[in-house]
Amino acid sequence: KNEVEQSPQNLTAQEGEFITINCSYSVGISALHWLQQHPGGGIVSLFMLSSGKKKHGRLIATINIQEKHSSLHITASHPRDSAVYICAVSFLVRGNEKLTFGTGTRLTIIP
Amino acid sequence: NAGVTQTPKFRILKIGQSMTLQCTQDMNHNYMYWYRQDPGMGLKLIYYSVGAGITDKGEVPNGYNVSRSTTEDFPLRLELAAPSQTSVYFCASSPDKSYTFGSGTRLTVV
Repeated sequence: KNEVEQSPQNLTAQEGEFITINCSYSVGISALHWLQQHPGGGIVSLFMLSSGKKKHGRLIATINIQEKHSSLHITASHPRDSAVYICAVSFLVRGNEKLTFGTGTRLTIIP
Repeated sequence: NAGVTQTPKFRILKIGQSMTLQCTQDMNHNYMYWYRQDPGMGLKLIYYSVGAGITDKGEVPNGYNVSRSTTEDFPLRLELAAPSQTSVYFCASSPDKSYTFGSGTRLTVV
């Protein structure tokens, strides 16, 4: 079974600050996903990573396969970035992809 | 494209009642999933399907049933609602490794 740990659980920052959210997992994976969930809202996929780094606008996701660790960075944070960010890892179980989710990081950006 | 559509968005059930949570996707994805999200916990897999006519249990299947008669639809059935089934339910679909989630159904059992 793959364990997924996220840190911090809660993060409050001022608008404009650089944000880092971390994710560690315990066993080999086929991909790592970063998801965003606004209060009362659905879940949106931000990134899927199997190696290296991806960037989309102000969001950057990195993964280190050897260390079993990923980070999600937000540059020039804005109040609309306030949401829960969820890390999930996918791995094969009996030939089918399965997702294991972290408990999420609640990010609040203060204007 | 609508993506993954879940209905209803909210529902209150009495203990012992039954209901079906609907999930439809229009992306022709083979894989579909039902998850539940409880406060302070990661999403847990209830049931999944790898294609029409094929379903399998996830981590927390007790109290639920599913069917997959078409590629598009993957309904989740609660037969005898219990307070422990109070949760937010998410349906998702996938072509292989990427996932699209629905907007969720918030269910309260009283």
